[in-house]
Amino acid sequence: NAGVTQTPKFRVLKTGQSMTLLCAQDMNHEYMYWYRQDPGMGLRLIHYSVGEGTTAKGEVPDGYNVSRLKKQNFLLGLESAAPSQTSVYFCASKPTPPTDTQYFGPGTRLTVL
Amino acid sequence: GQNIDQPTEMTATEGAIVQINCTYQTSGFNGLFWYQQHAGEAPTFLSYNVLDGLEEKGRFSSFLSRSKGYSYLLLKELQMKDSASYLCAVMDSNYQLIWGAGTKLIIKP
Repeated sequence: NAGVTQTPKFRVLKTGQSMTLLCAQDMNHEYMYWYRQDPGMGLRLIHYSVGEGTTAKGEVPDGYNVSRLKKQNFLLGLESAAPSQTSVYFCASKPTPPTDTQYFGPGTRLTVL
Repeated sequence: GQNIDQPTEMTATEGAIVQINCTYQTSGFNGLFWYQQHAGEAPTFLSYNVLDGLEEKGRFSSFLSRSKGYSYLLLKELQMKDSASYLCAVMDSNYQLIWGAGTKLIIKP
């Protein structure tokens, strides 16, 4: 099993450009999450999904959109990138029981100039 | 509001013991997690506490006191590879994780 994978690993964007980050998991997990991690701050939840075809907003959803068309994939989109979105983005997944642990992907380091 | 506090940085010596504290105030409580994160890598699960008391896993132990809103992670027989950030996270009433900023642990020979 590959676990949770993320594409790409690194990306540099100019302000106003758009991009999509892909998260894939092969563990048949129902729940998937997108976080951002900034220096000196805890992980912050952007959006999450409790199953195929469902998405919900987290703590910091503005400027991002998501889709979960297939159970194994969770896409994070930036329609018009801003320098404030420079961050490391982590995807995570977990099985159905709500108190189960989350498994993280390796992260995507995004810089917006 | 919801808040998780943990020290920003700690230094310890190889072979010694270190205790990393975490205090929390959250809307509801469905358990507390500790994760380890090496620089440039993803967080990996260490422990989960939902009842008061101590959980031991090899060199790592985690303690929880729900009445005090307090937990600690105890690392024994420190090794150089334990140099990492340790993240405390509380699962709130909506089963979402609220994360602390992490404690960077530096191990010196």
